[in-house]
Amino acid sequence: NAGVTQTPKFQVLKTGQSMTLQCAQDMNHEYMSWYRQDPGMGLRLIHYSVGAGITDQGEVPNGYNVSRSTTEDFPLRLLSAAPSQTSVYFCASSRTSGIAKNIQYFGAGTRLSVL
Amino acid sequence: KNQVEQSPQSLIILEGKNCTLQCNYTVSPFSNLRWYKQDTGRGPVSLTIMTFSENTKSNGRYTATLDADTKQSSLHITASQLSDSASYICVVRGGTNAGKSTFGDGTTLTVKP
Repeated sequence: NAGVTQTPKFQVLKTGQSMTLQCAQDMNHEYMSWYRQDPGMGLRLIHYSVGAGITDQGEVPNGYNVSRSTTEDFPLRLLSAAPSQTSVYFCASSRTSGIAKNIQYFGAGTRLSVL
Repeated sequence: KNQVEQSPQSLIILEGKNCTLQCNYTVSPFSNLRWYKQDTGRGPVSLTIMTFSENTKSNGRYTATLDADTKQSSLHITASQLSDSASYICVVRGGTNAGKSTFGDGTTLTVKP
């Protein structure tokens, strides 16, 4: 019953450093996405993927890259971290067909601080 | 611009009391509306999902209503428990093939003993 697993849970970076946030799901979901959640604000979509080899930009993609080489994994890369990227990052997955496509399963989040 | 507005922003109630959270949206065309519960330090978890034709849906002590004509939804919590303390997020999906989901900012509910 792993569901969506995110690593690490916490991370502190210095401005300019790069890192990759990992996300893996074991439900064979086609759709995966990354969100950031800032205090007092709703979840904002960064990037998403509807299947292996297919990615697209969401609402706030600048400063982030993604790739989807397998169905299970969807890593998020910060190329050159900036203080404005301090946030909580959530990965989510769902089906792409049927009523179940509308139910997203979220990971526990990665809390990132950029100094 | 598609928007989802939730009210109140925060709410404090005593254990055992009922409460109602509101969600108004402008997303059009409409596909579905979902309520999520997000415990502190955790990811959101789905509570209910409602399509255009559904007016009411229950999940235990949680009952969601939808009025697609006025573009309003509510989440009613009955006989609140301390474990209901969380943020409740309303999410509306657009009705196109590439329909994106718009998230509300959430209502933070605190249940006190």
